[in-house]
Amino acid sequence: AQKVTQAQTEISVVEKEDVTLDCVYETRDTTYYLFWYKQPPSGELVFLIRRNSFDEQNEISGRYSWNFQKSTSSFNFTITASQVVDSAVYFCALRMNRDDKIIFGKGTRLHILP
Amino acid sequence: GAVVSQHPSWVICKSGTSVKIECRSLDFQATTMFWYRQFPKQSLMLMATSNEGSKATYEQGVEKDKFLINHASLTLSTLTVTSAHPEDSSFYICSARPDQFSPLHFGNGTRLTVT
Repeated sequence: AQKVTQAQTEISVVEKEDVTLDCVYETRDTTYYLFWYKQPPSGELVFLIRRNSFDEQNEISGRYSWNFQKSTSSFNFTITASQVVDSAVYFCALRMNRDDKIIFGKGTRLHILP
Repeated sequence: GAVVSQHPSWVICKSGTSVKIECRSLDFQATTMFWYRQFPKQSLMLMATSNEGSKATYEQGVEKDKFLINHASLTLSTLTVTSAHPEDSSFYICSARPDQFSPLHFGNGTRLTVT
């Protein structure tokens, strides 16, 4: 069975601190994709990143970085020098290559305090 | 980039009435669209996969007679909540992608409140 676990339900940090959102996934497939989406209070889902299972290179995009480790089935997301605008719910998600369904984790609600 | 538009953004209806939600891919064609439901402070749950020109595929536990899906063109899928009840109040969000190599893009969602 496929599953995405985001153990952190809610996190609060003070602005400018770094914060890491954890994501652990389960799948027996060898080919799959992992995603992170941001959902601000307005509700829309904003695509942040996609990684395929064969690409374990870490990625950095501005203040965002992602650490993909197949050995631990984790795809963690770090925000450096957090800002109040980063406050949102962040979802980690998994899709198998054999179908189009995306399975979402329960999300981590991130509060950045001024 | 790929844009998915959803309408309306919010709707309030009386119990027993039906509500139609539209999902459009604005700058690409989508043979497949996905409908999700999100309860307050919960994750997104896939309801059904909408297939252009054929019947939708519903996830286990989703009533197909209650949530009617029509994908009449390559840019439009509609979700109709029939005989809505207060427990159907939720945030409904659709998604689509231009091709199998692209990530899913989501509409802005529709907040349905049934009174």
